[in-house]
Amino acid sequence: GAVVSQHPSRVICKSGTSVKIECRSLDFQATTMFWYRQFPKQSLMLMATSNEGSKATYEQGVEKDKFLINHASLTLSTLTVTSAHPEDSSFYICSARFVSSTDTQYFGPGTRLTVL
Amino acid sequence: GEDVEQSLFLSVREGDSSVINCTYTDSSSTYLYWYKQEPGAGLQLLTYIFSNMDMKQDQRLTVLLNKKDKHLSLRIADTQTGDSAIYFCAESKGFQKLVFGTGTRLLVSP
Repeated sequence: GAVVSQHPSRVICKSGTSVKIECRSLDFQATTMFWYRQFPKQSLMLMATSNEGSKATYEQGVEKDKFLINHASLTLSTLTVTSAHPEDSSFYICSARFVSSTDTQYFGPGTRLTVL
Repeated sequence: GEDVEQSLFLSVREGDSSVINCTYTDSSSTYLYWYKQEPGAGLQLLTYIFSNMDMKQDQRLTVLLNKKDKHLSLRIADTQTGDSAIYFCAESKGFQKLVFGTGTRLLVSP
């Protein structure tokens, strides 16, 4: 149980295009999902908290107009990188909060974005 | 991960025990977690410990928590080559946020 999927796993796009990444909780409902960014050989940096039915909460320094987050259902959150540039190339990982006594986050497999 | 620190690298031989250390700063963290990340993959939850516990054992994994020193460790018994990966500790913050450590790269040689 507690499986989180991401799609696509890898995407290559041209500079200036927009890319949408999906995060799904497959066997549980998640009112809260999180989006992280990971640079090579570095730790995960929290970008935003995605709340079902309401606006996302962005961390300091993350442009909300650049990284659009939609959490329209209890099992799906999407991250859209708008007008992507090479510096947006990174590994994007989502997680879904499993509501329980431990409040554990389960992570997706990640999406490798390369902007040419 | 500026609040949570880990040593960057650990190398052990197959069959030995591995101990990965972590120091955190927020004494109000309710839970502390250990995650494993293999190359090009997401994070896999290994285990967690509640802040009022000192130790938790789960098969080959033993977690020790020293709340006074804000020190957390993960011991892997009988380390196998398949355990080679990056290990992250994480502390829970308000609003269910997690703050991750810098990650420890474990290399297990035959």
